Amino acid sequence: DTGVSQNPRHKITKRGQNVTFRCDPISEHNRLYWYRQTLGQGPEFLTYFQNEAQLEKSRLLSDRFSAERPKGSFSTLEIQRTEQGDSAMYLCASSLVGVELSPLHFGNGTRLTVT
Amino acid sequence: TQLLEQSPQFLSIQEGENLTVYCNSSSVFSSLQWYRQEPGEGPVLLVTVVTGGEVKKLKRLTFQFGDARKDSSLHITAAQPGDTGLYLCARSTGKLIFGQGTTLQVKP
Repeated sequence: DTGVSQNPRHKITKRGQNVTFRCDPISEHNRLYWYRQTLGQGPEFLTYFQNEAQLEKSRLLSDRFSAERPKGSFSTLEIQRTEQGDSAMYLCASSLVGVELSPLHFGNGTRLTVT
Repeated sequence: TQLLEQSPQFLSIQEGENLTVYCNSSSVFSSLQWYRQEPGEGPVLLVTVVTGGEVKKLKRLTFQFGDARKDSSLHITAAQPGDTGLYLCARSTGKLIFGQGTTLQVKP
């Protein structure tokens, strides 16, 4: 169990550019979640997958955001035409089905800075 | 929209002091989880509470779930600098919804 891995750890980009982040969950976990977090605040839910199916997408997620989990293992989060308001920490987490008693295991996040 | 209200938002205390942070909602929870997050890292689960009135202890941390399952508290006894971090409560609605967090700073 190597934990949840996110890459890159940091990304600095210019406004208008596209960025893509990757998340590798714990191998036996079939649920994968994306959250966004700003400094000193709690994580905000963006979307989650069960295996390769995207089950829910937050209204916070504009059309510029897309997430995939093509083979039910790793996932990517792409932001097109980045804006300064997209600057945040993007967290990925995984769990077994049934979040009620199955904790989320988080990665250490990708910090995005849009200049 | 945050469905959980945490208070206080920020707490700065001296080593050795006691503190309590609160997590409240107008809705009933089926379960509630508490996480701690250190700078540059993801949140890490501390405890899950399920039953109304439940009390769980983790060394110097005591977690309580309200009888009506609408609120929870975290009490830390004799805080240490290593307790510094962001404390988050979260409820499950298929996915986890987090409160806005309590930032705790413990000064030596």
